[in-house]
Amino acid sequence: GQNIDQPTEMTATEGAIVQINCTYQTSGFNGLFWYQQHAGEAPTFLSYNVLDGLEEKGRFSSFLSRSKGYSYLLLKELQMKDSASYLCAVMDSNYQLIWGAGTKLIIKP
Amino acid sequence: GAVVSQHPSRVICKSGTSVKIECRSLDFQATTMFWYRQFPKQSLMLMATSNEGSKATYEQGVEKDKFLINHASLTLSTLTVTSAHPEDSSFYICSARDSLAGGALETQYFGPGTRLLVL
Repeated sequence: GQNIDQPTEMTATEGAIVQINCTYQTSGFNGLFWYQQHAGEAPTFLSYNVLDGLEEKGRFSSFLSRSKGYSYLLLKELQMKDSASYLCAVMDSNYQLIWGAGTKLIIKP
Repeated sequence: GAVVSQHPSRVICKSGTSVKIECRSLDFQATTMFWYRQFPKQSLMLMATSNEGSKATYEQGVEKDKFLINHASLTLSTLTVTSAHPEDSSFYICSARDSLAGGALETQYFGPGTRLLVL
């Protein structure tokens, strides 16, 4: 079966760095997405990785290792507004998104 | 970026009534739209894939006679929850795939969601 695993909840301090991990097992692979979702709102796109390596976009970076079925989202210089759920999703061979359950990130002052 | 709208944003209805939710891609054509449901503190659950001009593809366990989907144009898909019951109360989110994006880089653009409360 297809499976996406990520931690349920993480806590970090304002100004610090946090890494949210995601491992996956899917039928085929056409890229991995990270989305941010604030409570009561729809997800918003953060990043897309299809090749191995690190993609940097401002304070957010996303890493992919296809051989390991592993990705992480790195958030630097954390701000209170970064408190949200972060969803990892993999596009399978049918171009369908397989979603993880999300990681709730709590930022403390 | 691409914009997807949903209407209504919030609806409260009585048990047994039907509710229609609209999903529109405002500045791009979407041959494929997706309908998700999200219960509190849970991840998105794909309900069905809506294809313009053809029947929707429903995920296992989703009743197609209860959740009617119509994708009549390249910019509009509707989800009708028929004979709604309290257990149907949830956050319904649509997303649309840009038809011109193509390839593996296709990104889904999400609507803002519709919160349904069935009393």
